[in-house]
Amino acid sequence: AQKITQTQPGMFVQEKEAVTLDCTYDTSDPSYGLFWYKQPSSGEMIFLIYQGSYDQQNATEGRYSLNFQKARKSANLVISASQLGDSAMYFCAMRESGGSEKLVFGKGTKLTVNP
Amino acid sequence: DGGITQSPKYLFRKEGQNVTLSCEQNLNHDAMYWYRQDPGQGLRLIYYSQIVNDFQKGDIAEGYSVSREKKESFPLTVTSAQKNPTAFYLCASTTSGEYGYTFGSGTRLTVV
Repeated sequence: AQKITQTQPGMFVQEKEAVTLDCTYDTSDPSYGLFWYKQPSSGEMIFLIYQGSYDQQNATEGRYSLNFQKARKSANLVISASQLGDSAMYFCAMRESGGSEKLVFGKGTKLTVNP
Repeated sequence: DGGITQSPKYLFRKEGQNVTLSCEQNLNHDAMYWYRQDPGQGLRLIYYSQIVNDFQKGDIAEGYSVSREKKESFPLTVTSAQKNPTAFYLCASTTSGEYGYTFGSGTRLTVV
């Protein structure tokens, strides 16, 4: 079964600094997709970034980048120039293969940005 | 605007009662999913449906039931058999050929 591990229950960062949120995954399928979502206290899930297993380049979306190391099975999220509004829960997820399109989630990391 | 609507936002249930959470999408998505979120647990899959009149159990289906009579709708019933139903419930949808998922804003269920 596919599995996502986020080992950092909580992270703190100073405003305007960069922060890396860790994510490792386990799958035997050569084709998969990796996602990062942000969940503020309101509960909505906000899509941040996507990386396909065959993508040669690391994905980037504005201040978000995904450090994809396929051999190490890691997909860390890097947030540059942190803002107070970045304080939220962050979830790493993997799309399961086999046609179901299911998303498997990690337990999340709570990021707090300090002024 | 296209999206997923979950209702109600907050729901209170007495022990022993069944309750139904609504999930409606106007995105013409084929697949719909129900997730449960507990503090510190991330999201866990309850049920999913890839086509009308068909659905499959997820990882924690016990005590829940669903139906998919219309493409747009995927209601979740939390039955009295669910031992600990207090949680945040999220509905999501996607379709083949797209990598993105759309999530609803969630329903927070509390057993009183």
